[in-house]
Amino acid sequence: DTAVSQTPKYLVTQMGNDKSIKCEQNLGHDTMYWYKQDSKKFLKIMFSYNNKELIINETVPNRFSPKSPDKAHLNLHINSLELGDSAVYFCASSITPDNYEQYFGPGTRLTVT
Amino acid sequence: GESVGLHLPTLSVQEGDNSIINCAYSNSASDYFIWYKQESGKGPQFIIDIRSNMDKRQGQRVTVLLNKTVKHLSLQIAATQPGDSAVYFCADTPGSGNTGKLIFGQGTTLQVKP
Repeated sequence: DTAVSQTPKYLVTQMGNDKSIKCEQNLGHDTMYWYKQDSKKFLKIMFSYNNKELIINETVPNRFSPKSPDKAHLNLHINSLELGDSAVYFCASSITPDNYEQYFGPGTRLTVT
Repeated sequence: GESVGLHLPTLSVQEGDNSIINCAYSNSASDYFIWYKQESGKGPQFIIDIRSNMDKRQGQRVTVLLNKTVKHLSLQIAATQPGDSAVYFCADTPGSGNTGKLIFGQGTTLQVKP
């Protein structure tokens, strides 16, 4: 009965590869997010979707492309991975965009070698 | 630009004592201020929020105080327990529309000594 789930939990890959991280929420929320947390624990919003529509698109390289097939899923695809992409990526959801109680997934630790 | 910062990267308290975690912000237009807790190996978890037109809000064992004059936010945890050990983040909202965007501070690690 996990509220927000992400797969995989760990991802180790080489520079230049393309990878995807999947996220699903079973809370019935309208809004989903992707965050990046660096090695110093700094947490930064990357994207947000509301009812499958993009509403936040921070200054993120074009190599990152989110996709929301339905409002319960928000996937993150990363092309041409770089060393600096190594981080923990968190998916989150909220009832609506103006409800700031966001429910976070367990995170995906991406390591690029 | 917008920024949210915490005063201390680490706070160590004795079990049973009260903890106070501080945060400073720069954006006067923020509508909401929120505290999150992140335990080791887990995602952040919502604790409490406060609207910008309030000075104080209480939850279960936690109190958030907002001082808009000096742009300061604090989280008080009463009778700190070992389970409170975590990284605590304050966050604010840019005030640029209801997009759900949160600006997180750096985080304070709370260590509870038995």
